Amino acid sequence: GAVVSQHPSWVICKSGTSVKIECRSLDFQATTMFWYRQFPKQSLMLMATSNEGSKATYEQGVEKDKFLINHASLTLSTLTVTSAHPEDSSFYICSAMTSGVSYEQYFGPGTRLTVT
Amino acid sequence: AQKITQTQPGMFVQEKEAVTLDCTYDTSDPSYGLFWYKQPSSGEMIFLIYQGSYDQQNATEGRYSLNFQKARKSANLVISASQLGDSAMYFCAMREGLGGAQKLVFGQGTRLTINP
Repeated sequence: GAVVSQHPSWVICKSGTSVKIECRSLDFQATTMFWYRQFPKQSLMLMATSNEGSKATYEQGVEKDKFLINHASLTLSTLTVTSAHPEDSSFYICSAMTSGVSYEQYFGPGTRLTVT
Repeated sequence: AQKITQTQPGMFVQEKEAVTLDCTYDTSDPSYGLFWYKQPSSGEMIFLIYQGSYDQQNATEGRYSLNFQKARKSANLVISASQLGDSAMYFCAMREGLGGAQKLVFGQGTRLTINP
């Protein structure tokens, strides 16, 4: 089956610094990837849709200057949390969508970010 | 307005019993898809089952079946012969949009606990 990886699986950073999270589709090409955020005991909330070679589409209420998304290739999308604050601490999950008839989404294992 | 509603924050079931997790949805699109995902404590999203709006029969995948009642806009997940390993968060999700422009909207989730 299709495999999506995320790196790192967990990260601790100091307030004010930036942190980059990578999402890779390992055995398929993904023109579209999605970034979700999940607070403890809550549901997944879509942050943005990332399309290869074009600007990401952000959901309402998500700061595009704070959460920078780059989808530089058909297998890699990155999410950079800039000037991180403790309230940015969360579980970030990406998914990659196959193209063609099925358009299925496959989820990465998630990245747990803690900002101190 | 909530598009996906899961009214059971928590469910407790005895091992080997069947369990039904409720999900109702709201959409005016004639074409949509409904998903169920399992999220164990590790955080990964595990795909369980999918039902398309035009599918005539209820979807089944092993011990999982989806009770799809289109007129009532419900898509309940039925787990037969529950096992201890079924303890996890369960999310119902609806796919909005078509093809490459689609995105998933998640319900609030139900925490299922299987008691030995």
